[in-house]
Amino acid sequence: AQKITQTQPGMFVQEKEAVTLDCTYDTSDPSYGLFWYKQPSSGEMIFLIYQGSYDQQNATEGRYSLNFQKARKSANLVISASQLGDSAMYFCAMREEGSARQLTFGSGTQLTV
Amino acid sequence: KAGVTQTPRYLIKTRGQQVTLSCSPISGHRSVSWYQQTPGQGLQFLFEYFSETQRNKGNFPGRFSGRQFSNSRSEMNVSTLELGDSALYLCASSFKLPGQGTSEQYFGPGTRLTVT
Repeated sequence: AQKITQTQPGMFVQEKEAVTLDCTYDTSDPSYGLFWYKQPSSGEMIFLIYQGSYDQQNATEGRYSLNFQKARKSANLVISASQLGDSAMYFCAMREEGSARQLTFGSGTQLTV
Repeated sequence: KAGVTQTPRYLIKTRGQQVTLSCSPISGHRSVSWYQQTPGQGLQFLFEYFSETQRNKGNFPGRFSGRQFSNSRSEMNVSTLELGDSALYLCASSFKLPGQGTSEQYFGPGTRLTVT
């Protein structure tokens, strides 16, 4: 079964508008971390934001915020005031802190601004 | 502080050959992980090293191997290359061993391997 699901292969957004990239996950481990990465065409994976499963508040980093809904097992990325430089592939990833500690990635969402 | 560096950035090899890729983590980071990225399979975990020991391994054949040195630099080796090994190989480093609190991984620019 897919552990990380990103249902939007591609998204378009106008400059200065906000956009939400969807991510749902599946785990039985009570302790896990959720990550969002940005991958421009150059290939490098850029860390954006992290949310721990025990964190009470949604994580925010500048224009990025993570809408964490634990009961629904969703961890959507919200980018406010989109810029042309935001055009890239965005990956949601999860690390289960139990036996499987590597990052498991979703299939990604190609964002075009 | 310098980021994760990977060498070489691009590589072209022939089927049956072997290849070694190198990764230097961020200074002070002791955990290094390797990932393979292909259009068909997406991003897949290869292995993770911490203090020169392999801590975790993904579902890849034994042709894929790695090691970590005392200075935390890591290498991965692929023997008997196949066409399907063509991919972007990404290395990531983190300060803490996963499971010990927040441990975001910082990725290098990757090595793009083409097997002909």
